[in-house]
Amino acid sequence: SQELEQSPQSLIVQEGKNLTINCTSSKTLYGLYWYKQKYGEGLIFLMMLQKGGEEKSHEKITAKLDEKKQQSSLHITASQPSHAGIYLCGAGAGGTSYGKLTFGQGTILTVHP
Amino acid sequence: DAGITQSPRHKVTETGTPVTLRCHQTENHRYMYWYRQDPGHGLRLIHYSYGVKDTDKGEVSDGYSVSRSKTEDFLLTLESATSSQTSVYFCAITEGARQPQHFGDGTRLSIL
Repeated sequence: SQELEQSPQSLIVQEGKNLTINCTSSKTLYGLYWYKQKYGEGLIFLMMLQKGGEEKSHEKITAKLDEKKQQSSLHITASQPSHAGIYLCGAGAGGTSYGKLTFGQGTILTVHP
Repeated sequence: DAGITQSPRHKVTETGTPVTLRCHQTENHRYMYWYRQDPGHGLRLIHYSYGVKDTDKGEVSDGYSVSRSKTEDFLLTLESATSSQTSVYFCAITEGARQPQHFGDGTRLSIL
């Protein structure tokens, strides 16, 4: 079965600093999804990556999928307290998997004003 | 926001009692999923549905059953709740297997 490992597990930064969260897979990624979760709430979809080398940006968040499709990174530029939360990567199994996703453990981001 | 409603939002019950959680969607999406989220384990898939009356097991299905008699509702049942099933349960929906899943706000279930 596919396993996703996220690093770091937690991250504390000062407002305005840049940061990167990584998601590494044991197998080829067929669809990589980034989500954000605030404590006690549901997951909010951020971005989806499908092709090797693909890069997407939304506001100050950029996500990339490497050429080999086994690692993805999420980069936040000039972090703000509103970026705080838990970031999770999820990946599909490919083929006729009916959209079943495996998730990483999550990265807890704290941004100090 | 995707039209997903989970009920109840919070529940406390005793070991051995049956519990049913409901996921209701207004998006007419084909695919629906139940996950549980636990510290140290992340999100894990319990069961999923790819159409009315079409369901299958996920990674952690033991002790759980599901039913989907109409497109908009996906029910998760714990026939005889155990303390190990204390968790936060999330429902998710998607219109296509390769499209992003959208999640409900979760149900916090405590089994004493």
